[in-house]
Amino acid sequence: EAGVAQSPRYKIIEKRQSVAFWCNPISGHATLYWYQQILGQGPKLLIQFQNNGVVDDSQLPKDRFSAERLKGVDSTLKIQPAKLEDSAVYLCASSLGGEGVTGELFFGEGSRLTVL
Amino acid sequence: AQSVTQLDSQVPVFEEAPVELRCNYSSSVSVYLFWYVQYPNQGLQLLLKYLSGSTLVKGINGFEAEFNKSQTSFHLRKPSVHISDTAEYFCAVSGYGAQKLVFGQGTRLTINP
Repeated sequence: EAGVAQSPRYKIIEKRQSVAFWCNPISGHATLYWYQQILGQGPKLLIQFQNNGVVDDSQLPKDRFSAERLKGVDSTLKIQPAKLEDSAVYLCASSLGGEGVTGELFFGEGSRLTVL
Repeated sequence: AQSVTQLDSQVPVFEEAPVELRCNYSSSVSVYLFWYVQYPNQGLQLLLKYLSGSTLVKGINGFEAEFNKSQTSFHLRKPSVHISDTAEYFCAVSGYGAQKLVFGQGTRLTINP
């Protein structure tokens, strides 16, 4: 089966510019996650969707980050305006979903953002 | 809320030597525990998970981990490592019924020939 697809793989922008990342989860997976992985740190959850509803966005910097999952399938994460500290790899993951996290999360290869 | 501490940021070992990567967690409720591996320029993939039952869990590529509730630990072990095991390893925890997976900061495993 096809895995989690993300694009672009790499993006370089200047601070205060905007950027968008796209994710297409595994077919049939109800839950979609966006994680931010700063160099040398573990992934930090930004937002979690169950179908097209938000389950957790408590760590999403809402003044500059936004995410949507229209029709409960693919998702877009946007940053506007970008700051230097947003330089990171943005990982998308999906899972079958259901009650609690017991199943496997399937990760895409990530989108590496460099803010100059 | 749950949290994870990986006690070593880097672990260098020689090829064919045994290795243990340490993970401690904190939670006020019962937990599910996971180890993920990230090879260079790739996404994370699941190595193994503990949900319930036997405290010794076996995963892919010859890895195993032991859940120790009294010590709130979930250390990862492999009796003999290979060059191909060079990667970053992440311990993660989720509370019963929680919708959130929390990751540790990762341990970089380097295998020397």
